[in-house]
Amino acid sequence: AQTVTQSQPEMSVQEAETVTLSCTYDTSENNYYLFWYKQPPSRQMILVIRQEAYKQQNATENRFSVNFQKAAKSFSLKISDSQLGDTAMYFCAFPATGNQFYFGTGTSLTVIP
Amino acid sequence: DTAVSQTPKYLVTQMGNDKSIKCEQNLGHDTMYWYKQDSKKFLKIMFSYNNKELIINETVPNRFSPKSPDKAHLNLHINSLELGDSAVYFCASSLDRTPSTDTQYFGPGTRLTVL
Repeated sequence: AQTVTQSQPEMSVQEAETVTLSCTYDTSENNYYLFWYKQPPSRQMILVIRQEAYKQQNATENRFSVNFQKAAKSFSLKISDSQLGDTAMYFCAFPATGNQFYFGTGTSLTVIP
Repeated sequence: DTAVSQTPKYLVTQMGNDKSIKCEQNLGHDTMYWYKQDSKKFLKIMFSYNNKELIINETVPNRFSPKSPDKAHLNLHINSLELGDSAVYFCASSLDRTPSTDTQYFGPGTRLTVL
């Protein structure tokens, strides 16, 4: 079965500190992308970062980076120098067979001033 | 410039009514999607359309029907609304028809409340 698991329903971090959000998944796809989306209180779903599974190098976008472990099917998001605007729900997402696309249950991140 | 737009942003209606939510994308993408996000923030794909062809049809009630007049638009029509339809509905689009290797861009969402 295709699944995606985010085991941390809620997390908090002090402003300027670093936090890591975890995600594990299961897929039978061979060539795929993995995604982290952010949903702030405004409700808008915003793409944070994308990882191509065939690339060994971890993706980085400014303060956001991933730790992608393909064999372990792990895809964690690291946020460095956390800012108040990072407060949001974070969803890990991945594609599955049959043109399906699954989101995890989300991690609610609060950045504390 | 809004890439993926939805109207309305909020929709409050009575049980049993029929309503539509509109979605438009100006990204030149070929595939559009509808997602439902429930009260627990769980997102589930409902439909996708590629060049007017339905390529994903989740086990949603047939009261929900996607309508695509052209590849830039994918509207969601809901008949005989029920209390359980209350949710946030997101439209999304992607360049290609293969979600496994493509990025989806989301609209702002429509919060539907059925009374």
